[in-house]
Amino acid sequence: QVQLVESGGGVVQPGRSLRLSCAGSGFSFSGYDMHWVRQAPGKGLEWVSIISYDGAQTYYTDSAKGRFTISRDNSKNTVFLLVSSLRPEDTAVYYCARDYYDGSGHNPDYWGRGTLVTVSS
Amino acid sequence: SYELTQPPSVSVSPGQTARITCSGDALPQKHASWYQQKSGQAPVLVIYEDSKRPSGIPERFSGSSSGTLATLTISGAQVEDEADYYCYSTDSSGDHRGVFGTGTEVTVL
Repeated sequence: QVQLVESGGGVVQPGRSLRLSCAGSGFSFSGYDMHWVRQAPGKGLEWVSIISYDGAQTYYTDSAKGRFTISRDNSKNTVFLLVSSLRPEDTAVYYCARDYYDGSGHNPDYWGRGTLVTVSS
Repeated sequence: SYELTQPPSVSVSPGQTARITCSGDALPQKHASWYQQKSGQAPVLVIYEDSKRPSGIPERFSGSSSGTLATLTISGAQVEDEADYYCYSTDSSGDHRGVFGTGTEVTVL
């Protein structure tokens, strides 16, 4: 069965960086685009970024451009999100999700359980 | 930036029908997906391509879309359907950048 396991979250000071990881199993990882989605405490879901199956294409939400970098290592079935210049408002649970293309757009289908990032001094 | 608007809350008695709407200008050209998120858990896909149901999702969940409005319907809502529900789509500028709706809290009591 499809499994996605995020790691790398924790408490980090403002201005610092953190690299989140997401390991996939139970599917042909190198054949799927992958998403990152985040959720601040008590708030709704926010789409963050997507990377193509081969890592050649990446897209970001406006608030992530220039500070977040998505990448992947298909030899390790892992997608990463480097979050830099962290701000208190980046405090959130970060989820990775596998992609499903519906003919008009890319959609998250299977999700991991998330990893919590807390930005605090 | 593109927005998808949902009602903040919907309340329904057990066995009744709950309808959750999602309004977005690009929905005539784009499919909508729907996710259920129970307290403390990761989201789960319940509807994709406007009206298709993934395997394992109960038949009481259905979806439709017309014009700028997508709708998730829970027919015969159960207590275990209490959750937050989010619609999702992509904006008209392409097919990669996603947007979630504002979310709807469904109460079954």
